[in-house]
Amino acid sequence: GIQVEQSPPDLILQEGANSTLRCNFSDSVNNLQWFHQNPWGQLINLFYIPSGTKQNGRLSATTVATERYSLLYISSSQTTDSGVYFCAVEPRNYQLIWGAGTKLIIKP
Amino acid sequence: DSGVTQTPKHLITATGQRVTLRCSPRSGDLSVYWYQQSLDQGLQFLIQYYNGEERAKGNILERFSAQQFPDLHSELNLSSLELGDSALYFCASSTRQGPPDTQYFGPGTRLTVL
Repeated sequence: GIQVEQSPPDLILQEGANSTLRCNFSDSVNNLQWFHQNPWGQLINLFYIPSGTKQNGRLSATTVATERYSLLYISSSQTTDSGVYFCAVEPRNYQLIWGAGTKLIIKP
Repeated sequence: DSGVTQTPKHLITATGQRVTLRCSPRSGDLSVYWYQQSLDQGLQFLIQYYNGEERAKGNILERFSAQQFPDLHSELNLSSLELGDSALYFCASSTRQGPPDTQYFGPGTRLTVL
């Protein structure tokens, strides 16, 4: 089946720093979403981005479907950005396949 | 707030028992998905329903079952519980009639099996 790899697995940054999280997938997909899981466990939708680029405030994402990767950019990090960031893809049949996540810690 | 509600938030039970988790999708969403998040397996898709009918099945154990009712809420039934079933169970919903679209997640039910 499809493999989803996220890097880096862990990232520790100072408040105000910028970061880039990467998601590689091994086959073509119909759907790609980025999520933030906050320290209380809630999964929050960030982007639905099967291809192209989107921006939402300090966050932006780019998916290059032909090269099978997606990037999530976080600028001017805040402590509330801490948590785990997941990439999830849908190969073709309705189920989201998840990466292992990138654990981000923003220090004040 | 995603608009997806799940009850209960926490559930503590013993091995061998049976529990039911409930999910109400966002208003207007016909598709409901169930996911399990455990420490060793990460996030895994369990099952999807669309307008009352099972649409897709993932890594769902035979001890687990689900259904979607006419009012579109869904229930996930877990029976003969084992320690390894301890996990966070998420429900998601989407409008999903054909092409893929955004799945919105509920707050989850944290199940602890002792």
